[in-house]
Amino acid sequence: GAGVSQSPSNKVTEKGKDVELRCDPISGHTALYWYRQSLGQGLEFLIYFQGNSAPDKSGLPSDRFSAERTGGSVSTLTIQRTQQEDSAVYLCASSSRGGGFGEQYFGPGTRLTVT
Amino acid sequence: AQSVTQLDSQVPVFEEAPVELRCNYSSSVSVYLFWYVQYPNQGLQLLLKYLSGSTLVKGINGFEAEFNKSQTSFHLRKPSVHISDTAEYFCAVSAAQGGSEKLVFGKGTKLTVNP
Repeated sequence: GAGVSQSPSNKVTEKGKDVELRCDPISGHTALYWYRQSLGQGLEFLIYFQGNSAPDKSGLPSDRFSAERTGGSVSTLTIQRTQQEDSAVYLCASSSRGGGFGEQYFGPGTRLTVT
Repeated sequence: AQSVTQLDSQVPVFEEAPVELRCNYSSSVSVYLFWYVQYPNQGLQLLLKYLSGSTLVKGINGFEAEFNKSQTSFHLRKPSVHISDTAEYFCAVSAAQGGSEKLVFGKGTKLTVNP
């Protein structure tokens, strides 16, 4: 079946512009995660959605970052007023359950370059 | 909070040699443990996981890992590597009780298998 998909695969933007990154999780998966992979910081958790519960936003690095998940499916990560340090690969993952372990399946990522 | 240390950033080996990639973790609560592999320009793929039970876990592609609670380690091993095992390997933990099951990753180990 279809895996986690992300779009765009690559995004180049100018410093100060806003960007939106999209994640389509595996159908039926109730949990959705965003991570960031950068040279300096490695892989970092950003935000977690589980069903209708309040998201865990504890990993968001600043208030320029926000995310939403519409209808319990597609998620959008928005970065406002991008900075060069935001350059990274943004990974989305989904899993089939929360409150007990569900394996996380990762998408191919969106490579963001801020010039 | 949890943290993960991967002691070797790069490991070069010859084809058909054995390899061990080291991982130590720190946590005040029980954890689940994982190894992920990332091939060049691809997303993360789960190699194996420890949730409970037998401390020796077997994964895909002939890899195995052993959970050692007293040493807080989860080293990854393969008795004979192939060129195709060249990739970056990430050790990760998540809290076993409650919470978002977010993954905390190590910095990664780049395995290079030479002919």
